[in-house]
Amino acid sequence: AQTVTQSQPEMSVQEAETVTLSCTYDTSESDYYLFWYKQPPSRQMILVIRQEAYKQQNATENRFSVNFQKAAKSFSLKISDSQLGDAAMYFCAYRILSGNTPLVFGKGTRLSVIA
Amino acid sequence: GAVVSQHPSRVICKSGTSVKIECRSLDFQATTMFWYRQFPKQSLMLMATSNEGSKATYEQGVEKDKFLINHASLTLSTLTVTSAHPEDSSFYICSAREQGWGSPLHFGNGTRLTVT
Repeated sequence: AQTVTQSQPEMSVQEAETVTLSCTYDTSESDYYLFWYKQPPSRQMILVIRQEAYKQQNATENRFSVNFQKAAKSFSLKISDSQLGDAAMYFCAYRILSGNTPLVFGKGTRLSVIA
Repeated sequence: GAVVSQHPSRVICKSGTSVKIECRSLDFQATTMFWYRQFPKQSLMLMATSNEGSKATYEQGVEKDKFLINHASLTLSTLTVTSAHPEDSSFYICSAREQGWGSPLHFGNGTRLTVT
């Protein structure tokens, strides 16, 4: 079974600084997607960034980037120039490439941004 | 962009009653929708996979007779919590994916169920 582990229940960062959220996963599949979702207090799930496992290049979306280490099964999220609006729960998620399969989520990391 | 509409956003019901939650894909067809449950300060746990025109697939530990799922069309899946009890109080979120390889998963805004 696939599992996603987020070892940091809570993190904090000063405004304008950089923070990295950790995620590791376990799978026997070779083709899959990895995602980071943000869940603010509104509980809406917002896709932050996604990475296809077959791509070696790390995905980047503006201030958000990932460090994808396939051999180590690691998928960390770096948030640069942190803003107050970045404060939220962040979930790492995984899904295999084939078929119409659901996302498997980690337990989440609560990020606080300090002004 | 694609939108998934979930209704109601909040519902309060009495123990023993049933509650229906709707999940609609507004501008795309979804042969499969997923229902998740989220307890406070916890992650999203998959409850079931809803398949259009066929029976839902439930995750281990989820009572299919308690959480009835109907996916009668390509744009609508419903989750009915039958004979609700206070322990069923939770946040329920549906999601759906557009057809096509590599298409993203879209989430509804969730339903907060409180059973008194």
